Amino acid sequence: AQSVTQLDSQVPVFEEAPVELRCNYSSSVSVYLFWYVQYPNQGLQLLLKYLSGSTLVKGINGFEAEFNKSQTSFHLRKPSVHISDTAEYFCAVSTPSGTYKYIFGTGTRLKVLA
Amino acid sequence: ETGVTQTPRHLVMGMTNKKSLKCEQHLGHNAMYWYKQSAKKPLELMFVYNFKEQTENNSVPSRFSPECPNSSHLFLHLHTLQPEDSALYLCASSQDLGQTGYTFGSGTRLTVV
Repeated sequence: AQSVTQLDSQVPVFEEAPVELRCNYSSSVSVYLFWYVQYPNQGLQLLLKYLSGSTLVKGINGFEAEFNKSQTSFHLRKPSVHISDTAEYFCAVSTPSGTYKYIFGTGTRLKVLA
Repeated sequence: ETGVTQTPRHLVMGMTNKKSLKCEQHLGHNAMYWYKQSAKKPLELMFVYNFKEQTENNSVPSRFSPECPNSSHLFLHLHTLQPEDSALYLCASSQDLGQTGYTFGSGTRLTVV
């Protein structure tokens, strides 16, 4: 069975500083990995996804993530955050085939401070 | 414009009321989903429809009744709800069964009084 762990429930960071939001997964089969962002009173928006190929994935709003198979991680990074990046970020994992399973992490609240 | 439209955005209902949530997508996606998002809890998958057929019911109480008349529309019929059912209800769609990512609506904020 697959699982996703986001260890940090909240991450405060100052504006223009770099940030890394951590995501670890567990799976006995190959996986697809995703990051979503949720702004207040909104639904989730897909930031980026890893399906195959290059392990460094670039997404919208200047975010990127790196798939590390040996460490079973898919951490999200941004070199310089803005106040507008304040939101909740969700990591998710799915399997390419077989029984449908799409698992979301519990979310990390990023708070960007002025 | 997210591509997935949910109405209403906010709903307050009594425990004896009957109401429906509506979700609409014109992205040509084949799969649609209902999720429940409660404070301090992970996202809970409720129902999955693929090509209008329900493929998953995640042990959801019968007071929630989904309906998918076509690939573009999804409803969630509500009756005799409990206060603990108050939450943000999110609809999502995907081209296939989620493997390549979801498009979410903005949600319906439901309050049961």
